[in-house]
Amino acid sequence: ETGVTQTPRHLVMGMTNKKSLKCEQHLGHNAMYWYKQSAKKPLELMFVYNFKEQTENNSVPSRFSPECPNSSHLFLHLHTLQPEDSALYLCASSESGRVYGYTFGSGTRLTVV
Amino acid sequence: GESVGLHLPTLSVQEGDNSIINCAYSNSASDYFIWYKQESGKGPQFIIDIRSNMDKRQGQRVTVLLNKTVKHLSLQIAATQPGDSAVYFCAEKNTGNQFYFGTGTSLTVIP
Repeated sequence: ETGVTQTPRHLVMGMTNKKSLKCEQHLGHNAMYWYKQSAKKPLELMFVYNFKEQTENNSVPSRFSPECPNSSHLFLHLHTLQPEDSALYLCASSESGRVYGYTFGSGTRLTVV
Repeated sequence: GESVGLHLPTLSVQEGDNSIINCAYSNSASDYFIWYKQESGKGPQFIIDIRSNMDKRQGQRVTVLLNKTVKHLSLQIAATQPGDSAVYFCAEKNTGNQFYFGTGTSLTVIP
């Protein structure tokens, strides 16, 4: 375990479903991130939160809705997704403003059917 | 925009040999670089980093080399072991504090 825990590990959902991904970190970090990892593509940054405030939305469609109730928890709410949204969704955390890299969770493997 | 790429998508090496994984980056203003390892079913894991004021950094069995002239980064793994089989990513950080990742090289170690 890296200190960043993501649940569920796997999720299959229909295009009309609503589901949520959860991320929790116990590292004392105050910045959290959502990344999308698709096959043969670089990691795509989706959202950034610093001290619970969203500081970046990387042109993500509104069917993805993030929520950060506190510095330790991050959610990604999903609704009316498309099959091309199937991917590995990774959460990461870091110390805000520091230059060092991220600590990643193991990801949620999402399949949209 | 940022472009971080890897020269080869796959690499196979014999157990015990040395591995070299390469990465090219496009932004000459990037000042910090990281190599990550991603095993199957897991998220990326930090291996080693290097700042732009250095050209070499060594860890345990791993060495990162940075050539700023040609904007090239490499990861050398000594005495490669089966447990080293994974996808390796480079990441660069620009002055805006955002990281950009490469697509990854899949390393397979042949016993």
